[in-house]
Amino acid sequence: EAQVTQNPRYLITVTGKKLTVTCSQNMNHEYMSWYRQDPGLGLRQIYYSMNVEVTDKGDVPEGYKVSRKEKRNFPLILESPSPNQTSLYFCASSLHDSGGYNEQFFGPGTRLTVL
Amino acid sequence: GENVEQHPSTLSVQEGDSAVIKCTYSDSASNYFPWYKQELGKRPQLIIDIRSNVGEKKDQRIAVTLNKTAKHFSLHITETQPEDSAVYFCAAFSSGGYNKLIFGAGTRLAVHP
Repeated sequence: EAQVTQNPRYLITVTGKKLTVTCSQNMNHEYMSWYRQDPGLGLRQIYYSMNVEVTDKGDVPEGYKVSRKEKRNFPLILESPSPNQTSLYFCASSLHDSGGYNEQFFGPGTRLTVL
Repeated sequence: GENVEQHPSTLSVQEGDSAVIKCTYSDSASNYFPWYKQELGKRPQLIIDIRSNVGEKKDQRIAVTLNKTAKHFSLHITETQPEDSAVYFCAAFSSGGYNKLIFGAGTRLAVHP
């Protein structure tokens, strides 16, 4: 089954404790992205990756890191989480070919609470 | 920077009525405009999309129109049903150097039986 998976789905942590949220897709998509969703603000892009070893900042990258060592994986790293990073996080992937941008498939989401 | 404005933020209609959600974008290089539906507790899912070389696209009860000159696009849902109740997001993608997908803030649609 074609899908995007994220782990963990729920996480409660404390300020300053490093964490990683994993994201994996099995559709051989070039483009992968992380979003955070907050009430009234919609989905805001944190980082995106056009392909392996190619990453770039989205609109709200502060406090986050990513890596793209393999095509299928795109982990989100919070080196020192703070309470303002409490949010619902979505990973997404899409095909990006000569025709341009295509439908973005979202993972199930990770609800993060930083105390 | 680039942004997408979406209106209204909430919309309440009677079953069978039409619903229209409007978005404007700032980046004239935007060339792909998807619409996503997000039900409570679920992930966003694409319902329709349109590229900049097309003015209108329809899929059963859903249609999207694009006015590139005005940098404006709209979602039209006809014959609404209670299961259409959800949050709808418009988005604009620019491959003119940014490769970012910018979302609107969302519209909460309620369809009352």
